Amino acid sequence: EDKVVQSPLSLVVHEGDTVTLNCSYEVTNFRSLLWYKQEKKAPTFLFMLTSSGIEKKSGRLSSILDKKELFSILNITATQTGDSAVYLCAVGGQKLVFGQGTRLTINP
Amino acid sequence: ETGVTQTPRHLVMGMTNKKSLKCEQHLGHNAMYWYKQSAKKPLELMFVYSLEERVENNSVPSRFSPECPNSSHLFLHLHTLQPEDSALYLCASSQNTGTGVEQYFGPGTRLTVT
Repeated sequence: EDKVVQSPLSLVVHEGDTVTLNCSYEVTNFRSLLWYKQEKKAPTFLFMLTSSGIEKKSGRLSSILDKKELFSILNITATQTGDSAVYLCAVGGQKLVFGQGTRLTINP
Repeated sequence: ETGVTQTPRHLVMGMTNKKSLKCEQHLGHNAMYWYKQSAKKPLELMFVYSLEERVENNSVPSRFSPECPNSSHLFLHLHTLQPEDSALYLCASSQNTGTGVEQYFGPGTRLTVT
């Protein structure tokens, strides 16, 4: 059965800190790994990763995929209170499977 | 705004009621999805439609009945629900049903079954 596990489930840090969120997976016929940010309702797309070792970057956020070890990390540097959200990892194999999410809280 | 709208945003219904959730996408996509998000559980895929045809039904109870009259509109008809069906119901769309394709989510309908 396809499985996506995110860690930690919850993280509280101070503004300005750097955080690393983890996503490990076991899926059949891997096609892509996606990161979403969910603040109140709708998840919004952050990154799609399909190739190992190539970092995707958007401002203070970056992500990389390791297809050999079957995981991805999402880094956020110089965190701000607006980064507080649930971060979802989803892996596309036979179907798109979501992890439980990491609830990130940034305290001022 | 992601180009996917859902109505209503909040719904409270009794177990004997019949109601419908509506989703509309303005992105010209060919695939639409219903997801259920319960507290402390991963997003659960319920139904997938591709070009108005249902292509996936993930063992969802028959009290949930989807309808896709065209590629821009998706409905979820609800009847005789249970309290454990209370959740956030999210609609999404994508260019096609490939799992390597980004999905755009609507704001969701927060459903409470009393």
